[in-house]
Amino acid sequence: DAKTTQPNSMESNEEEPVHLPCNHSTISGTDYIHWYRQLPSQGPEYVIHGLTSNVNNRMASLAIAEDRKSSTLILHRATLRDAAVYYCILMASNYQLIWGAGTKLIIKP
Amino acid sequence: DTEVTQTPKHLVMGMTNKKSLKCEQHMGHRAMYWYKQKAKKPPELMFVYSYEKLSINESVPSRFSPECPNSSLLNLHLHALQPEDSALYLCASSHRALTGQKNGYTFGSGTRLTVV
Repeated sequence: DAKTTQPNSMESNEEEPVHLPCNHSTISGTDYIHWYRQLPSQGPEYVIHGLTSNVNNRMASLAIAEDRKSSTLILHRATLRDAAVYYCILMASNYQLIWGAGTKLIIKP
Repeated sequence: DTEVTQTPKHLVMGMTNKKSLKCEQHMGHRAMYWYKQKAKKPPELMFVYSYEKLSINESVPSRFSPECPNSSLLNLHLHALQPEDSALYLCASSHRALTGQKNGYTFGSGTRLTVV
């Protein structure tokens, strides 16, 4: 079965870039890679997703390894409001989401 | 409107009570979901509705009973719950159940349920 592995927590300084890694060595060819984040007392919020190519949006960038066995979420300039739990998720061709355990991102002022 | 609205935000119920959680979206999404999230864990899928029909039940105990009255509403009826059912219950929606991979999910803020 596919699974995703993320570090439990990471710390970063405010206004510096943050690179959040995710390993998904058992990903299948049609699985999309999604990232969501969850702020305290909130539901998960969509951040970005991709299949093979790197992706950019107003929130973040997603770098996907050439073999697709890992990916990195990049926050270009972290702010205190980016402190959250970040989930790396594989989205299969049906409804199924394979959630990682999440990385708690701590931003230091 | 780009939100999924869940009510109530907090609920405390006894083990013999009957209560309902409500979820509403007006984005035209045709798939809706119930998730259960325990502290410091990722959400776990409970039910999937596609075009107002139940398409997935992840072996959820019958004390949880979902209902989809129309394409905008999703309810979760609760009866005879146990203390271990205390959790954050999240509702989500997507354009279509089988193409969530492209469009992503919109989650509500959840109902924090405590069973006493």
